[in-house]
Amino acid sequence: QQQVKQSPQSLIVQKGGISIINCAYENTAFDYFPWYQQFPGKGPALLIAIRPDVSEKKEGRFTISFNKSAKQFSLHIMDSQPGDSATYFCAASNNAGNMLTFGGGTRLMVKP
Amino acid sequence: SQTIHQWPATLVQPVGSPLSLECTVEGTSNPNLYWYRQAAGRGLQLLFYSVGIGQISSEVPQNLSASRPQDRQFILSSKKLLLSDSGFYLCAWSPLGRRTDTQYFGPGTRLTVL
Repeated sequence: QQQVKQSPQSLIVQKGGISIINCAYENTAFDYFPWYQQFPGKGPALLIAIRPDVSEKKEGRFTISFNKSAKQFSLHIMDSQPGDSATYFCAASNNAGNMLTFGGGTRLMVKP
Repeated sequence: SQTIHQWPATLVQPVGSPLSLECTVEGTSNPNLYWYRQAAGRGLQLLFYSVGIGQISSEVPQNLSASRPQDRQFILSSKKLLLSDSGFYLCAWSPLGRRTDTQYFGPGTRLTVL
């Protein structure tokens, strides 16, 4: 019930392409879905987040798409750049609020 | 603005030695505090979290312990390190007093146990 499943584990995209990372959850009480970006040797940093009252949120080249009925959400990185190469984590929390459940992470490599 | 510090940045310790990692947060009061461990190429494993001074919840039974001696200080300790304790240790904080979805991570401590 508390798991968040993330796929793929690794992803290679050409510069300028679209990177897509998917996450699925079971707990219908989850109502906040953030994405974190982690560069090697650094702590994760919040990238973008969505609540289920909207189906899409866009910030620059980063878009979250959310499908409440399917209990799935995804991160799209448009015009991917080598500087986007990092590990991305999806996460979810419920209205208790104190805890985040993280997906397993996706290592993205953008080739120049 | 709020900042979170962790030290040391890197640490190499022999098996059986003690451990003390420190995390401090500036610019906020009464934060929730978290310790995570990240094994090489793996995800984030929550180890401990704290909602106040002296209030520690453990998520994973192990030879590690945590303490919160001050409001914005969180310490991760071990009396005797194991090889399996190697990893990247991350401290995080979130605001207390309202919905605390967002967690903010520190720069991490790379621990190698030999």
